[in-house]
Amino acid sequence: AQSVAQPEDQVNVAEGNPLTVKCTYSVSGNPYLFWYVQYPNRGLQFLLKYITGDNLVKGSYGFEAEFNKSQTSFHLKKPSALVSDSALYFCAVSPRSGAGSYQLTFGKGTKLSVIP
Amino acid sequence: NAGVTQTPKFQVLKTGQSMTLQCAQDMNHNSMYWYRQDPGMGLRLIYYSASEGTTDKGEVPNGYNVSRLNKREFSLRLESAAPSQTSVYFCASSARTGGDYGYTFGSGTRLTVV
Repeated sequence: AQSVAQPEDQVNVAEGNPLTVKCTYSVSGNPYLFWYVQYPNRGLQFLLKYITGDNLVKGSYGFEAEFNKSQTSFHLKKPSALVSDSALYFCAVSPRSGAGSYQLTFGKGTKLSVIP
Repeated sequence: NAGVTQTPKFQVLKTGQSMTLQCAQDMNHNSMYWYRQDPGMGLRLIYYSASEGTTDKGEVPNGYNVSRLNKREFSLRLESAAPSQTSVYFCASSARTGGDYGYTFGSGTRLTVV
C-alpha cells in the first residue's frame, strides 16, 4: 500500500524568506503526486501535481515542487514566503495502476506559519 | 459557483443517534469520496464511489454506510454515532478514479458526538 510522510508537523519561516515543506512517499511503481492547501475552516484546495515530464512542477500562488525519484521525495517550495501562505499543507500520492490507484493517500499535513 | 456542496456544516449528535451527511457536485464528475480529518492523522478515506451505482470501502469504513443516489449526490450515514466519530468530514469528487485527476473538495462538515 502507498504511504506519504510529512516529517515536520510545523514549519516557521520569516516573510520574504524561501520556504520548503517536505514530503516523501512510498508507492509501487511510478507515482502521481499532489500538493493541497487548507486554510482554516475550509476544504482542501489543489496547488499542483506531478504526472509526468519535467521534474520541477509549477503551481498556484507561486509554489513549485520538485519530484526526485531516487529520493522518493516531492518537496514543496516557494522563493519568497507571504503571510497569506500560512495554512496547512498536504502531500498526496497515488500509484499509476494496480491496487490503490483508485484513491489519493494523504500525509498528515504540515502547518506553515509565515512570520511578519 | 461550480463545486462540491456539503450539508450540514456543523452538527452535534448524542451517542447512538443517527444522521446523514449530504454531498452534491455539479461538475459532472464520475467519482466521489468521503474522507475524515482528525488532528495529526491527515485525511483518511471512508468510502468512495468510482462511478454511479458503485461504492467501495476505503481505509476506515466501520460505523458508516454510503449511498450514491445519482451521479451528483453521494451521502454518508452514521447509523449509531459514537464519540470516536467526532471529526471533520470532507466529500470530494474527481472526473474519474485514477490518480492523475485531482480532487475537488467540499468545505466540510464538523461533527461532534457527545
